[in-house]
Formats: sequence, C-alpha cells, structure tokens
Amino acid sequence: QVQLQESGPGLVKPSETLSLTCTVSGGTILSGDYYWSWIRQPPGKGLEWIGYVYYTGNTYYKSSLKSRLTISITTSKNQFSLKLSSVTAADTAVYFCARALMGGYGEMEHFQHWGQGTLVTVSS
Amino acid sequence: EVVLTQSPGTLSLSPGERATLSCRASQSVSRTYLAWYQHKLGQAPRLLIHGASSRATGIPDRFSGSGSGTDFTLTISRLEPEDFAVYYCQQYATSPYTFGLGTKLEIK
Repeated sequence: QVQLQESGPGLVKPSETLSLTCTVSGGTILSGDYYWSWIRQPPGKGLEWIGYVYYTGNTYYKSSLKSRLTISITTSKNQFSLKLSSVTAADTAVYFCARALMGGYGEMEHFQHWGQGTLVTVSS
Repeated sequence: EVVLTQSPGTLSLSPGERATLSCRASQSVSRTYLAWYQHKLGQAPRLLIHGASSRATGIPDRFSGSGSGTDFTLTISRLEPEDFAVYYCQQYATSPYTFGLGTKLEIK
C-alpha cells in the first residue's frame, strides 16, 4: 500500500521560502503512471491544487503561483519537494502531498493517495 | 476556473439513513472527470469515486456516484458510524483542477 508523508518546518517568516518534502513508501516514485502533486487548504477554506511533478522532472503549476513555486523530485530518495518563495500570511495552510493517476492522453486524473498533511504557519 | 458548489454545507443524519450529497459545476465537466473524497480531521483524504461513478479500490458498495455535465451526486445508501466526515468533490477535466468547499456529514 502506497503511503505519503509530508515533512518540513511548521513556521516560516513572511518573505521567506516555505520548503516541504514528501516521502513516498510502498511504491516507487520512478513510475511513469503517476503525477506527484501538492495541494493545500488554508484554515477554514477549501482545498487548492498547487502543482505536480513527473518522474522525469517535468512540472506543471497553478498559474497564479507559478512565479513563486518550484516542485522537484529526488528519485534516489523516493521523495518530491515543494518550495514556495516570498510567502505571506495568505500561504498559511495545511499542505498535502498526493499521487495522481496519469490518464491515457497524459492528463492528470484523480488523486489516488494522499498524505495526512502538515500545517505551515507564516508568521514573524 | 471551474467552480464546484457543494450542497448542503452540513448534513445531519443518523446511522442507517441514506445520504445524498450534491456537487454542481459552473461549467460542464468533460469526460466525467469528477472525483469524490472523504476526509476525517488529521487523516489523509481518501478517494471514494472517480470518473463520476467508478468506486475506488476497497470502497464499500454503499457508496455510489452519479451524474454528468454540471450535476453530480454522491449517495451513501446506509450510513455506518465511520462514514461521518467531510466529503469533497473535485474536477480534473480543466486546469486549474478545483475542489468544492465540502459537505460535512454529522451524526444527528
């Protein structure tokens, strides 16, 4: 059974860079069948898809976050990571990593497996 | 972006009852690329339904999904105690991939 686990600092100062890692167990991140994704949920608000990385390192980001966002993959450690720069209080959220199925046309499909999420607070 | 509106916001029912949750999209969701997830606080969200009506692996058959175009429904035929949670719909037909705000299913 595939499991995903987020890790990283729970507190980040405004204007700094938020960095999180997702460790995948029970399966290889090297598979061409999946997109490795990040999703977040600000307190009291809805879920927001952020972006994904493919095992080749190719990425696709939500356009509104593109200028601040980097998602990367480390296949040797079965991990992928999120970096969000110049954070503000609006970036305070529970951050989830998830595995999405790749469809027949290369499109991202549904999220099959999720991590439990980790709360990141942006505050001085 | 596609806005998904879930109703009701909160649904109060008793174990054994039938639950009907609605998800309406601001534009047609092509290829019925619509999923439902169950989320309990502090746990990983769990995929229930994909492709609007296909149950995910290991999901009990009391969960069923239906709909197409802009109107989708998740039905839980007979509620078990472990079904009380928050349920989200999500469309993956059009980027950015979006979620509804959720329906909280609580014990009456």
